[in-house]
Amino acid sequence: NAGVMQNPRHLVRRRGQEARLRCSPMKGHSHVYWYRQLPEEGLKFMVYLQKENIIDESGMPKERFSAEFPKEGPSILRIQQVVRGDSAAYFCASSASETYNEQFFGPGTRLTVL
Amino acid sequence: SQQGEEDPQALSIQEGENATMNCSYKTSINNLQWYRQNSGRGLVHLILIRSNEREKHSGRLRVTLDTSKKSSSLLITASRAADTASYFCATDDDYKLSFGAGTTVTVRA
Repeated sequence: NAGVMQNPRHLVRRRGQEARLRCSPMKGHSHVYWYRQLPEEGLKFMVYLQKENIIDESGMPKERFSAEFPKEGPSILRIQQVVRGDSAAYFCASSASETYNEQFFGPGTRLTVL
Repeated sequence: SQQGEEDPQALSIQEGENATMNCSYKTSINNLQWYRQNSGRGLVHLILIRSNEREKHSGRLRVTLDTSKKSSSLLITASRAADTASYFCATDDDYKLSFGAGTTVTVRA
């Protein structure tokens, strides 16, 4: 039973480019969460999605960031026109519908903006 | 937001010794969880303790929770080199997990 999958594991972008981060939840999980970890800090909640719905995006910057979780395929976190401050590790977690506080994390995508 | 804060920031111990780290939080919680993160890797869930529990064990891990002091501790007994990692506590506000900055534990052989 595969865990949460994220790709790519490492992503390098130049300022102004777009970054697309993908997350496939654990089998049977329909809830996806994205967190961001800046260097030397803990993870910060960004967004909570269910299939085809954004439930809570209160932790996501209002501009340049968007997330989706389509009916088919992985969840995507998209960052447009990246800036150096976007450099961080982005983690995806998933949970079953009944136990959303028991979240299982993927290995993360480390984004470096040059 | 409810945010766990770990103490100390860093801990260095000899293999075989015990490691203790603490977590304080600000408001009432439903659950408190501890995670481990090896360098450059994702988070591994260690243990969840509910607000009505005072102590919980899992292998060499022992977690305590004192809701009156809004604090929790994680004890790793008989540490091993493989325990070298960062340890985070997380409180949950419904589905949002709030993490502290972590305690970095180094176990010396």
